[in-house]
Formats: sequence, structure tokens, C-alpha cells
Amino acid sequence: GESVGLHLPTLSVQEGDNSIINCAYSNSASDYFIWYKQESGKGPQFIIDIRSNMDKRQGQRVTVLLNKTVKHLSLQIAATQPGDSAVYFCADEEEGTYKYIFGTGTRLKVLA
Amino acid sequence: DTAVSQTPKYLVTQMGNDKSIKCEQNLGHDTMYWYKQDSKKFLKIMFSYNNKELIINETVPNRFSPKSPDKAHLNLHINSLELGDSAVYFCASNLLGQGHGYTFGSGTRLTVV
Repeated sequence: GESVGLHLPTLSVQEGDNSIINCAYSNSASDYFIWYKQESGKGPQFIIDIRSNMDKRQGQRVTVLLNKTVKHLSLQIAATQPGDSAVYFCADEEEGTYKYIFGTGTRLKVLA
Repeated sequence: DTAVSQTPKYLVTQMGNDKSIKCEQNLGHDTMYWYKQDSKKFLKIMFSYNNKELIINETVPNRFSPKSPDKAHLNLHINSLELGDSAVYFCASNLLGQGHGYTFGSGTRLTVV
């Protein structure tokens, strides 16, 4: 991930719609990527991960897409629910560095 | 049965004081981390220990000193606290090189007044 600015971007979606959260990373040597969800007052929680030898991975209601050419990662949430309201972070790791670099984060607001 | 537990959850202290934050994990992980989250939610790694050995030491003031008595514990001691140290500090753990994400604690909100 990268720090892309000082303001936390916000995505508002209607309950039941699909959400797409985007992330840009800067390190072309990164080979492992993770999405985290952070609810208010809690620590980040693992959602889904993907390795650089894949371009898509699906979980329960979530899909991660990786485009290494443009260094872009996205998280798709199907049928967004009120419980999905949180701040979402992407993180990337360069092989052998053992540290995850977090992106700025996107706040997802689910409207009833 | 909390996986990664931090204490205290909240810490309010005056400038110039010295304080410690403790972290313990019962997941059998071999690596533990400290991250700092600022007011804009940006998460930045500070330190990491693998089996009690320091493996990551980012550009952090030397007022911050981590200590790992064993692989299940990683504490953070901060000397001469400054206003800019106010943040939420997260402990995390994982199995090094296994390609899995971290398990995070619930954070310690430090406020320096």
C-alpha cells in the first residue's frame, strides 16, 4: 500500500449493493497482498489475501482482484450489509522483508 | 481466550513521563510486531521480533524500546513521552514466512497531554 494523501477516502453504498474498494501499491517487488477490515475501536481483521501469481481470489461474499501491470488491488464485497461498515486497508509484502506496508485506508459506509 | 491481548487499552499520561504497553499472544506464533496508527488511520510498522530476536526496526525515535522476554510476549517502553506520540498502538503476531496475515490486538490508545 502507499500513503496517497491525508484524507481518509469514504465510499457510501446502499445496503444490498455491491462495493468495490480500490488500492494502489508502489512496490513492484511485492508478492503478497492482504485486505484488512477495521471496525471502530478494534484492531484490523484479516479478510482475504492473494499472491502475485494469481489475479483473482474469491472468499465468502468477497473477491480480491490483482493487476500487477498497474500495481492495483481491489476488494469487491457482494450484497453489502450494515456489518460491513468499517475502514478497509490493503497491505503488501515484498518477499523476504517480513513486513506489511499498509495503504491509507477507505471508509465504507453502508446506507440503510 | 483472546488471541492477541494488549494492556492497557487506554493510557493517558503527561509529557515527559515513561510508560509501557504490554502484548501477549497465545496463538503459538513466532513473530510479533508493533504498529502505530495515527489520527488519520495510517498504520506504520515500528518493530518486529522473531523468537525474541529483533528483525525489523524502522525509523523510530530511540525513546521507543521494544522488549521480548519470550516469543509469546512483546512489550513497548516509551521514554520521555511527547505530544506527537499520541496514537493507537497495535500489537500483531504471525508465523514468519508462512504467507499469512497478522492477527492484531485490539490496540492501546495513548494520549499524551
